[in-house]
Amino acid sequence: NAGVMQNPRHLVRRRGQEARLRCSPMKGHSHVYWYRQLPEEGLKFMVYLQKENIIDESGMPKERFSAEFPKEGPSILRIQQVVRGDSAAYFCASRPGTGSNEQYFGPGTRLTVT
Amino acid sequence: KQEVTQIPAALSVPEGENLVLNCSFTDSAIYNLQWFRQDPGKGLTSLLLIQSSQREQTSGRLNASLDKSSGRSTLYIAASQPGDSATYLCAAGPGSNYQLIWGAGTKLIIKP
Repeated sequence: NAGVMQNPRHLVRRRGQEARLRCSPMKGHSHVYWYRQLPEEGLKFMVYLQKENIIDESGMPKERFSAEFPKEGPSILRIQQVVRGDSAAYFCASRPGTGSNEQYFGPGTRLTVT
Repeated sequence: KQEVTQIPAALSVPEGENLVLNCSFTDSAIYNLQWFRQDPGKGLTSLLLIQSSQREQTSGRLNASLDKSSGRSTLYIAASQPGDSATYLCAAGPGSNYQLIWGAGTKLIIKP
């Protein structure tokens, strides 16, 4: 059973471009969380999704950021018109949804905005 | 609103010492508390998960305790080694959606 997969691992974007971050949860996991880690800081919750539903997006900036978890395929975190302040590590975590509240983390995507 | 604090922010100790890292949280209604390790520029390694009904968990040289009434968790590292050098993060799972609330971490340096 492969772990949580994220790609790309490193992403460089110029200001104003779009960034798309992908997260494939562990097999059988239907719940996905996205967290952001700014340089030298702890992680901050962004959004919680189940298949085809956004459950809690209270940690996500209101503008330029969106997330989805379609019926088929990975979860996508999309950042439009990136700015330098978006440079961070973005971590995805998944859990099965029943019988376990433990989250399993992917290796992260490090976004650099130049 | 849950807040998680880790003290100290940085710690440097000689190899071989036993040490304790502290984590405090403001809302005792947590589902679980996890300790993670993060190496520079790397991802997260889960070390220990303590459910709200448990008092401690052990793995090798690591022991984590949880005291919900006082809002505290500690990570005890026995016989520290240079390879233990990393940032240690604690995270509390407070809400019905199980999202984790994170401390800012303790940067640990073990001197050979």
